[in-house]
Amino acid sequence: DTGVSQDPRHKITKRGQNVTFRCDPISEHNRLYWYRQTLGQGPEFLTYFQNEAQLEKSRLLSDRFSAERPKGSFSTLEIQRTEQGDSAMYLCASSFTSTGELFFGEGSRLTVL
Amino acid sequence: KNQVEQSPQSLIILEGKNCTLQCNYTVSPFSNLRWYKQDTGRGPVSLTIMTFSENTKSNGRYTATLDADTKQSSLHITASQLSDSASYICVVSGNAGGTSYGKLTFGQGTILTVHP
Repeated sequence: DTGVSQDPRHKITKRGQNVTFRCDPISEHNRLYWYRQTLGQGPEFLTYFQNEAQLEKSRLLSDRFSAERPKGSFSTLEIQRTEQGDSAMYLCASSFTSTGELFFGEGSRLTVL
Repeated sequence: KNQVEQSPQSLIILEGKNCTLQCNYTVSPFSNLRWYKQDTGRGPVSLTIMTFSENTKSNGRYTATLDADTKQSSLHITASQLSDSASYICVVSGNAGGTSYGKLTFGQGTILTVHP
């Protein structure tokens, strides 16, 4: 296992379209996190899974956003009816324990035109 | 409100010089403090992670210090290299008590530029 992988790395879409990002965590990690990062800012927490259970969601995660981790392995983050304000880097991370080291993927950069 | 403040916001130094980045936090209760390096357009990579009882931790040319009493941390980079140019993010993990999720509070990062 080479680490956390995210796909696609870059996505350009028109306003109003739906987009989906995928994250494959490190295989033995049961904790998976999604973050959003805009230019010049630190990552902002979106949501957290322990195995397949979504345990916490940020208020940043509007009803247009949905995340799943159906089998406790990979996760998807879907954004419906994208808006220009959704343009950001979407980072996925995984960890083995709740306070242990967090391993980030390379991110999926979304540009909404 | 849990907060992590980093300074300076940006820093330019010459190759070979040393520098120190600062992180102040108000996260409580405290579990651990991490420093990450993030290259432009890439995901953050962990440099160090320190718990309450650790005052200093090194990773090659990177040395992090932690003063849990004053809630301050620093990241010292010695003999800087061009490849050190990146954003350095301080992250504090709070103990969420009854839940299993150690909530992380991120700083906004310090952008370091190393010039030849």
